[in-house]
Amino acid sequence: GQNIDQPTEMTATEGAIVQINCTYQTSGFNGLFWYQQHAGEAPTFLSYNVLDGLEEKGRFSSFLSRSKGYSYLLLKELQMKDSASYLCAVRGAGNMLTFGGGTRLMVKP
Amino acid sequence: DSGVTQTPKHLITATGQRVTLRCSPRSGDLSVYWYQQSLDQGLQFLIQYYNGEERAKGNILERFSAQQFPDLHSELNLSSLELGDSALYFCASSGSNNEQFFGPGTRLTVL
Repeated sequence: GQNIDQPTEMTATEGAIVQINCTYQTSGFNGLFWYQQHAGEAPTFLSYNVLDGLEEKGRFSSFLSRSKGYSYLLLKELQMKDSASYLCAVRGAGNMLTFGGGTRLMVKP
Repeated sequence: DSGVTQTPKHLITATGQRVTLRCSPRSGDLSVYWYQQSLDQGLQFLIQYYNGEERAKGNILERFSAQQFPDLHSELNLSSLELGDSALYFCASSGSNNEQFFGPGTRLTVL
């Protein structure tokens, strides 16, 4: 089975840096995804990691350690529009994605 | 705009009824996925189709069924609806890369 854990809520200040952690236990691993979802809207793709290490994409970076079953999403220079839910998802056997419960990030001025 | 379309946007119906949700994937994408997102359960994978064939099955109830047609659009059928089926239903599609593109969703309300 699949088990994915991430914090339920986080709060950060505009302009700051925030790290959202995700731990997983899965049978089979074919990559880890991060999605952003604003309330009532569709998830949008942020990053994909399949090998250990850091992937950087503008203000967002994602890190993966397969041996530890651990990933994080790092958001720099936070903006008010970054207030959203951030979903960690693991692709197991086949192409099936299992999502964590999501982390609701609130950015305050 | 992800290129994935879903209809209808909103659907309000009564318990015991049956509804059909429709999804058109991005041009060229062969895989279609259905997800259910309710307030208390997050995003749950229901089922995947690839080029017309069922590829993977998640937490899909027996009252629910899906299919993918030769033109690659997909339909999710929900029958004997219950109050607990009220949720956002998302469709996503993917091609040969690793990214799934999500449609705008159908909000189903069962009264």
